[in-house]
Amino acid sequence: TQLLEQSPQFLSIQEGENLTVYCNSSSVFSSLQWYRQEPGEGPVLLVTVVTGGEVKKLKRLTFQFGDARKDSSLHITAAQPGDTGLYLCAEASNTNAGKSTFGDGTTLTVKP
Amino acid sequence: EAQVTQNPRYLITVTGKKLTVTCSQNMNHEYMSWYRQDPGLGLRQIYYSMNVEVTDKGDVPEGYKVSRKEKRNFPLILESPSPNQTSLYFCASSLAAGANVLTFGAGSRLTVL
Repeated sequence: TQLLEQSPQFLSIQEGENLTVYCNSSSVFSSLQWYRQEPGEGPVLLVTVVTGGEVKKLKRLTFQFGDARKDSSLHITAAQPGDTGLYLCAEASNTNAGKSTFGDGTTLTVKP
Repeated sequence: EAQVTQNPRYLITVTGKKLTVTCSQNMNHEYMSWYRQDPGLGLRQIYYSMNVEVTDKGDVPEGYKVSRKEKRNFPLILESPSPNQTSLYFCASSLAAGANVLTFGAGSRLTVL
């Protein structure tokens, strides 16, 4: 089973600060997804990255996929309280499309 | 509205009392999957289904059963629940397996005493 390690596990910052969270794998990703989960709800997809070196932007969120496709990062500029939540990276298996693996998540708290 | 519906949302039960958590999607998705979420462990896949009558084990299938008799429904069955199955459970679906978008239900919080 592919292991996904996310860091940091917890992050508490003030509104307006920038932050980066990371997702690293023990092997090459076929593709990688980032989800955000708010309390009492299921995760919601933010982005899918597929190509090594790919950069995607979603308003104040920037997602990068490492050249070697073994790591990814999520950068948030000028964080807002509404960004508070659990950020999860996830990947479908290279060899078995039905199996999916999620990282342990980064819990982000943005204080007003 | 396109959605995945789980029931019950909350359940407290006792060891050994069989229970079923239902999951239904209205998007005609082929792929469905169950996960459990525990503090510090992220989401772990229990079972998944690539299509009707096709199910397979995820990473933590012990103590669980599933069935996929219809495309829209994918119930999770705990034949004899134990306290270590106390967790938050999520059902998800997507058009197909792989890199497709997973749509999650709102979760079912299960406590086994």
